[in-house]
Amino acid sequence: ETGVTQSPTHLIKTRGQQVTLRCSSQSGHNTVSWYQQALGQGPQFIFQYYREEENGRGNFPPRFSGLQFPNYSSELNVNALELDDSALYLCASSLGGGVNTEAFFGQGTRLTVV
Amino acid sequence: KQEVTQIPAALSVPEGENLVLNCSFTDSAIYNLQWFRQDPGKGLTSLLLIQSSQREQTSGRLNASLDKSSGRSTLYIAASQPGDSATYLCAVIPSNTGNQFYFGTGTSLTVIP
Repeated sequence: ETGVTQSPTHLIKTRGQQVTLRCSSQSGHNTVSWYQQALGQGPQFIFQYYREEENGRGNFPPRFSGLQFPNYSSELNVNALELDDSALYLCASSLGGGVNTEAFFGQGTRLTVV
Repeated sequence: KQEVTQIPAALSVPEGENLVLNCSFTDSAIYNLQWFRQDPGKGLTSLLLIQSSQREQTSGRLNASLDKSSGRSTLYIAASQPGDSATYLCAVIPSNTGNQFYFGTGTSLTVIP
């Protein structure tokens, strides 16, 4: 049990809609990173939040946005959903920006866009 | 751009066998390398973290080694069990970004009883 929880576990949305995914970080961790994992692929970095500020972003369009709250939980928002956004979305929790510290992942949110 | 490759893509072994999973990365300037396990449709479970100054880490039947200069890591699993069946992913954090993992596509392991 890593202590990183994501909600919801599964979600079905229609193309063009908006979605919000949530992540609660492990106790004591101030850094949350989000990853997208397509079927059969390794996870791809979306962005990271460190002490409520964005601390790096991968190659994802602006319709992917995020937020980190004072308790270090985080949200991932995706606007104007496309079919290719269907994937497993993973949240990772770590301490101090993630460098040289172990990262712990949640169980993921499976998003299906139809 | 850092690229991570894992070979083989799939592996099937009889129970009790010792096995080695391989991971290679193109840029040796990394902060650390982490091995994960992923069960079908699930999240990632951290197995071992090797910091750039370290050569290996051990946890139970697992041993991971790191050769930064050659851009390689191996995960050794001793006395494999059916419960070890899963996909194993390696990921590195490059020194020039310091905040994002670059993942391989994983090795799918099946241990046959």
